[in-house]
Amino acid sequence: GAVVSQHPSRVICKSGTSVKIECRSLDFQATTMFWYRQFPKQSLMLMATSNEGSKATYEQGVEKDKFLINHASLTLSTLTVTSAHPEDSSFYICSISGGSDQPQHFGDGTRLSIL
Amino acid sequence: AQSVTQLGSHVSVSEGALVLLRCNYSSSVPPYLFWYVQYPNQGLQLLLKYTTGATLVKGINGFEAEFKKSETSFHLTKPSAHMSDAAEYFCAVSEGTGNQFYFGTGTSLTVIP
Repeated sequence: GAVVSQHPSRVICKSGTSVKIECRSLDFQATTMFWYRQFPKQSLMLMATSNEGSKATYEQGVEKDKFLINHASLTLSTLTVTSAHPEDSSFYICSISGGSDQPQHFGDGTRLSIL
Repeated sequence: AQSVTQLGSHVSVSEGALVLLRCNYSSSVPPYLFWYVQYPNQGLQLLLKYTTGATLVKGINGFEAEFKKSETSFHLTKPSAHMSDAAEYFCAVSEGTGNQFYFGTGTSLTVIP
């Protein structure tokens, strides 16, 4: 069965709207979560690494004030795209790790379309 | 630093023919290597992974890959392509299964009837 639940699977909204994407670990405590973004016809690029109880580490070029990550518990991480614009339209995927040498599990992704 | 190069953004094979998707990696530490498949508008599904031990790894749906350290390669193969294999395939490298992944740019596989 699924280990990671990512919700919603698809979002269509107007420009300027803030969108929250949830990533839940269903079977184990997730000490580390990763958020990736995938533009059409491109590969997945890491946006940020989130460790439970501490601030997320963002990759170069990713605006931390625009992409808010909250890893408040060992089973839930959220990515909020604030004041989304059409250029933020993308496929966002989370992955969950139980720690070093533990299997990493990917969510099914969220297709975000900003009109 | 780690990186992955997938040669060939598009590969077409006839149904029943051999599938070969190429992946070369760069890693400063012993790598963990992965192949994922992605169907349209879906997430990633793990095909197989190499962490330690046997260098020939067998995965789901008849796929396998061989870790060749001397060639820094981890090519994905399947003896006989099926129509359902048409998808996007990503090779990834990591320092450990719990660490961030670095993905290749992907290879789109088309299977011709």
